[in-house]
Amino acid sequence: GENVEQHPSTLSVQEGDSAVIKCTYSDSASNYFPWYKQELGKRPQLIIDIRSNVGEKKDQRIAVTLNKTAKHFSLHITETQPEDSAVYFCAASRRMNSGYSTLTFGKGTMLLVSP
Amino acid sequence: IAGITQAPTSQILAAGRRMTLRCTQDMRHNAMYWYRQDLGLGLRLIHYSNTAGTTGKGEVPDGYSVSRANTDDFPLTLASAVPSQTSVYFCASSAQENTEAFFGQGTRLTVV
Repeated sequence: GENVEQHPSTLSVQEGDSAVIKCTYSDSASNYFPWYKQELGKRPQLIIDIRSNVGEKKDQRIAVTLNKTAKHFSLHITETQPEDSAVYFCAASRRMNSGYSTLTFGKGTMLLVSP
Repeated sequence: IAGITQAPTSQILAAGRRMTLRCTQDMRHNAMYWYRQDLGLGLRLIHYSNTAGTTGKGEVPDGYSVSRANTDDFPLTLASAVPSQTSVYFCASSAQENTEAFFGQGTRLTVV
């Protein structure tokens, strides 16, 4: 089955700095890679996703890059703000025995942005 | 209702008791999922359903069962709760595979 490793587990940055979170996956058949943000006590929410036919995707201060050959993908947040403080989860698609694809999540990265 | 709703929001349960966590969505999504979230372990898939009438096992299905009688509802049952099932449980739905998953607000379950 799919295995998703996420690093670092915690990341502290100063406001205005950039933050990078990295994930690796094991299943070369994975083709969908979303990132979720979970604020304290709240539900996870999708912030950006990328599919295997694209190498990079940007949405304002957030970008995701995908290297299919190396089986890793990364989340980049520029000009960080205190409201970016949260736990971030990467995920990769996984084909189940039924033929349906579900998501396997990384263990999460707690990002703390200090003013 | 707008989106996906779970009930209860929290529960303390005696070991050995049976418990059903409820999940309802009004987005007419085909797929629904149950995850458990434990500190340091991320979100782990318990069971899923890609359409009404069908269910499948995820990474950690033991001790849990689900049903999908209709599109909107996807209850999760713990037949005989054990302390290791203490966790935060999230229900989620998506229109189809490999599309955005929308999460419920979570159920915090403590088994004592």
